[in-house]
Amino acid sequence: EDKVVQSPLSLVVHEGDTVTLNCSYEVTNFRSLLWYKQEKKAPTFLFMLTSSGIEKKSGRLSSILDKKELFSILNITATQTGDSAVYLCAANTGTASKLTFGTGTRLQVTL
Amino acid sequence: GAVVSQHPSRVICKSGTSVKIECRSLDFQATTMFWYRQFPKQSLMLMATSNEGSKATYEQGVEKDKFLINHASLTLSTLTVTSAHPEDSSFYICSAREARASDNEQFFGPGTRLTVL
Repeated sequence: EDKVVQSPLSLVVHEGDTVTLNCSYEVTNFRSLLWYKQEKKAPTFLFMLTSSGIEKKSGRLSSILDKKELFSILNITATQTGDSAVYLCAANTGTASKLTFGTGTRLQVTL
Repeated sequence: GAVVSQHPSRVICKSGTSVKIECRSLDFQATTMFWYRQFPKQSLMLMATSNEGSKATYEQGVEKDKFLINHASLTLSTLTVTSAHPEDSSFYICSAREARASDNEQFFGPGTRLTVL
């Protein structure tokens, strides 16, 4: 059974802090690893990672994949209150491009 | 970017009734749509994969007779929760994959919150 595990489950930080969110996966027919941000409604896309060791960046967010260790991290630097959300990672697998989601990390950024 | 809509955004119904949720791709054609369910403080769980013009593929543990999926056109898929019960109360989200996009690209709808009394 495909499995995606995220840690920590929740995190409270002060504005300005840097956070690292973790995602490990055990899936068959791995194609890519995706990160999403979910506020009150549906997830919004952040990154898609297919190759090991290549960092993707978007502003204060960055992410990298390690296909040998079956692991990915999402970094957020200089956090802001608007970063408060649930961050989901998902493994894209198989020919049908199914997404298996992790449990999510609930991030709260306080003033 | 590609836009996916869902209707209704929120529905409250009595136990035993059926509820239909629509998922539309507004500015692209979606050969494949996915239906997810999310319980409070839990992650998205894939329920079924819906391909236009063919029967949906359901994930293990999802009752196909209870969750009827119809994907009659390239822009519309519907999920009908039949004889809904309080334990079906959840957040239902669809996503759509564009016909000619890379197979990693899925666009999510805003979700439908179902409450069964």
